[in-house]
Amino acid sequence: DTGVSQDPRHKITKRGQNVTFRCDPISEHNRLYWYRQTLGQGPEFLTYFQNEAQLEKSRLLSDRFSAERPKGSFSTLEIQRTEQGDSAMYLCASSTPGTGGDYEQYFGPGTRLTVT
Amino acid sequence: AQKVTQAQTEISVVEKEDVTLDCVYETRDTTYYLFWYKQPPSGELVFLIRRNSFDEQNEISGRYSWNFQKSTSSFNFTITASQVVDSAVYFCALSEGPRGSTLGRLYFGRGTQLTVWP
Repeated sequence: DTGVSQDPRHKITKRGQNVTFRCDPISEHNRLYWYRQTLGQGPEFLTYFQNEAQLEKSRLLSDRFSAERPKGSFSTLEIQRTEQGDSAMYLCASSTPGTGGDYEQYFGPGTRLTVT
Repeated sequence: AQKVTQAQTEISVVEKEDVTLDCVYETRDTTYYLFWYKQPPSGELVFLIRRNSFDEQNEISGRYSWNFQKSTSSFNFTITASQVVDSAVYFCALSEGPRGSTLGRLYFGRGTQLTVWP
């Protein structure tokens, strides 16, 4: 059973460019989450999918950010017109409800974005 | 307001010492879940433990133990006989909502950097 994978692992882009990240969750996990982590901070929630439905979005997710999970499997996170403040580690996690409704989120290695 | 507070930013210990990482949480929900994650230098968050709000039993797993006290809203993590490989950033996290809820977001603390010296 492979874990959560993310691509690319590192991305350097110039301010104003668009970037897209991909996340492949653990197979059969129906929940997928995106978080952002800046240096010295804990991860901050961005958005969450259950299957292909985007159920919750954080206020951190400005209009320049969009996330999709078209077939309920992999997900993409796109940032348009990147700004230097977007520089961070973008983490993806997946989970599935346990028998009691409990669950834990398994995280991928992250995509480190640097905006110059 | 921070839902999860980890007051210790950095802790340094010498190998074989015991160390406790503090976590204080805040929620109005009666049903919630608490988590600890480890983030080694490689960067990937590793799940360590999950507790629900109805289970205050302390848990021990090898050298790791967790103390959950609802009266003080704390979920502390102790490593016994620490080892160099324990060096990492440790995050405490909270998830709110009733059992089976679609709400899934985790609220993380700022983390505690643990350094274990040989």
